[in-house]
Amino acid sequence: DTEVTQTPKHLVMGMTNKKSLKCEQHMGHRAMYWYKQKAKKPPELMFVYSYEKLSINESVPSRFSPECPNSSLLNLHLHALQPEDSALYLCASSQESSGGYNEQFFGPGTRLTVL
Amino acid sequence: AQSVTQLGSHVSVSEGALVLLRCNYSSSVPPYLFWYVQYPNQGLQLLLKYTTGATLVKGINGFEAEFKKSETSFHLTKPSAHMSDAAEYFCAVSTQGAQKLVFGQGTRLTINP
Repeated sequence: DTEVTQTPKHLVMGMTNKKSLKCEQHMGHRAMYWYKQKAKKPPELMFVYSYEKLSINESVPSRFSPECPNSSLLNLHLHALQPEDSALYLCASSQESSGGYNEQFFGPGTRLTVL
Repeated sequence: AQSVTQLGSHVSVSEGALVLLRCNYSSSVPPYLFWYVQYPNQGLQLLLKYTTGATLVKGINGFEAEFKKSETSFHLTKPSAHMSDAAEYFCAVSTQGAQKLVFGQGTRLTINP
């Protein structure tokens, strides 16, 4: 299985809602990533988990809260979002290699709309 | 620190024509280089990568790229464009052990019939 899956595919939420995005991989990868992508822009890194521990937080607002329950799962909890948070949220995973390259495999994304 | 510059935010070619998407990188250490393709409302799919060894790398869908260290370039080419190649293309750079991928701004490829 060389796939990263993300659910839901689409999400519409109000600014007072709480929702979660889910990402799953079964490739045995030990690094997982959340990216945010606005239209016509490259993905922007938000968080990196390495061996289920948060290793990079790119100064993301606290209304985004990541969670890595186990090595195959990555969640992104959303609370009190703003309309400007509307974007495509991409999950990726990679082998965790300190001695080589870390090829990232991307999921299909969740299209988030905040009203 | 690494950076990537993709020359041309939009490239338009005729079906059957050569595709050339330009990517220049900056890195103080040996780079790993990647080209990703993104179709509308989808995730990123790896087209090809350069890590070490042969500087001409072949990828999926007939694409290839050549790593030129002296020119700090990693341009993507395809001899004959197909309508299905219309998409956004991102060049990215990483280094040994790095968790971060540094992306270029992307090039939108349009294919004219």
